[in-house]
Amino acid sequence: GAVVSQHPSRVICKSGTSVKIECRSLDFQATTMFWYRQFPKQSLMLMATSNEGSKATYEQGVEKDKFLINHASLTLSTLTVTSAHPEDSSFYICSARDQGNSYGYTFGSGTRLTVV
Amino acid sequence: LAKTTQPVSMDSYEGQEVNITCSHNNIATNDYITWYQQFPSQGPRFIIQGYKTKVTNEVASLFIPADRKSSTLSLPRVSLSDTAVYYCLPEISGGYNKLIFGAGTRLAVHP
Repeated sequence: GAVVSQHPSRVICKSGTSVKIECRSLDFQATTMFWYRQFPKQSLMLMATSNEGSKATYEQGVEKDKFLINHASLTLSTLTVTSAHPEDSSFYICSARDQGNSYGYTFGSGTRLTVV
Repeated sequence: LAKTTQPVSMDSYEGQEVNITCSHNNIATNDYITWYQQFPSQGPRFIIQGYKTKVTNEVASLFIPADRKSSTLSLPRVSLSDTAVYYCLPEISGGYNKLIFGAGTRLAVHP
């Protein structure tokens, strides 16, 4: 089945630094990928839609200059958390759909970001 | 986007059948209903999808009545490993509509 690989699975960074999270579709091409954030005991919150070759579409309230999304190829989208602060600590998850499989989306395994 | 309502939590015991119902009164004509399962510190995983009546796979069954205003996920003979959060979402099959997750149902299976 379709596989989405997310890296790293866990990262700790210092306040003020930037962190890049990668999301790859391993066996299919994805013109669109989605990025979510999840706080403990809460549901997934959609942050943005990543579009290959064009600008990402951000959900209301999500700072596009803080959460930079790049979708440079049909198999890779990256989320960069710039100037991270402790309140950015969260679980970040990406997803994509294999158009050859009409059933559901495939999600990455998530990235646990801790900003100290 | 259709809003969904599910019970916040459910408890069950190993070997029992669990039914989780989701209300989606405003579901669109071209929306399917998809259920996802999420374990702690993992991304959600697709379980089952349906449009109307009953769908069954190796993991679960999904019942959707004719008016499509609700759906019921049925997990037969649950085990401890079925302890997870379950989400129902309207979804355009094969499309790229963004998925808006509700609170989900936190299922706890006890020995």
